[in-house]
Amino acid sequence: DAKTTQPDSMESTEGETVHLPCSHATISGNEYIYWYRQVPLQGPEYVTHGLQQNTTNSMAFLAIASDRKSSTLILPHVSLRDAAVYHCILRVDSGGSNAKLTFGKGTKLSVKS
Amino acid sequence: AQTIHQWPVAEIKAVGSPLSLGCTIKGKSSPNLYWYWQATGGTLQQLFYSITVGQVESVVQLNLSASRPKDDQFILSTEKLLLSHSGFYLCAWSLWAQDTQYFGPGTRLLVL
Repeated sequence: DAKTTQPDSMESTEGETVHLPCSHATISGNEYIYWYRQVPLQGPEYVTHGLQQNTTNSMAFLAIASDRKSSTLILPHVSLRDAAVYHCILRVDSGGSNAKLTFGKGTKLSVKS
Repeated sequence: AQTIHQWPVAEIKAVGSPLSLGCTIKGKSSPNLYWYWQATGGTLQQLFYSITVGQVESVVQLNLSASRPKDDQFILSTEKLLLSHSGFYLCAWSLWAQDTQYFGPGTRLLVL
């Protein structure tokens, strides 16, 4: 499975804009970059995903490097509810019947008031 | 809107006892369904996936089995629990194999 590298933890303060980095130096052309977040004792929550172009939704902005070897999840004006473990995952679009998501340890984002 | 429900919320079971965990998806027809497992302090692993009723594929062997008796229902079970089965079990769905997967609230299992 393709590998991503994320910092173990990051700290922020309410109201700040947070940049969560992810390195995926060996990404293939048919791999999507997915971001999920998870708080203890709950299932992962889908945040966003992209292939080549930057994407934005109500939760976050995903900036993808032009060579696709890294990406950054940008969370504007974080609140205490944004404290979670953020997972950057590569998902292969192989056209098969399964798309296994391989989760790592992710980045634990702490938010203080 | 689609909803995903897992039952039970939490369970404490004895080693060697049977287990049945359930997952129901409402609001989506013929979804792809998945079981994932997370050991305490560990990472999520996909265990099974199903693209249609009656068809289940195993991804990781953990002495567990899965079945899909209805379009909107996915069951995870075993006849004899092991201590190593403890953890957090998550059901997920997607519209098709290459679409975004959405996770349920999970079931916490403690095997003693």
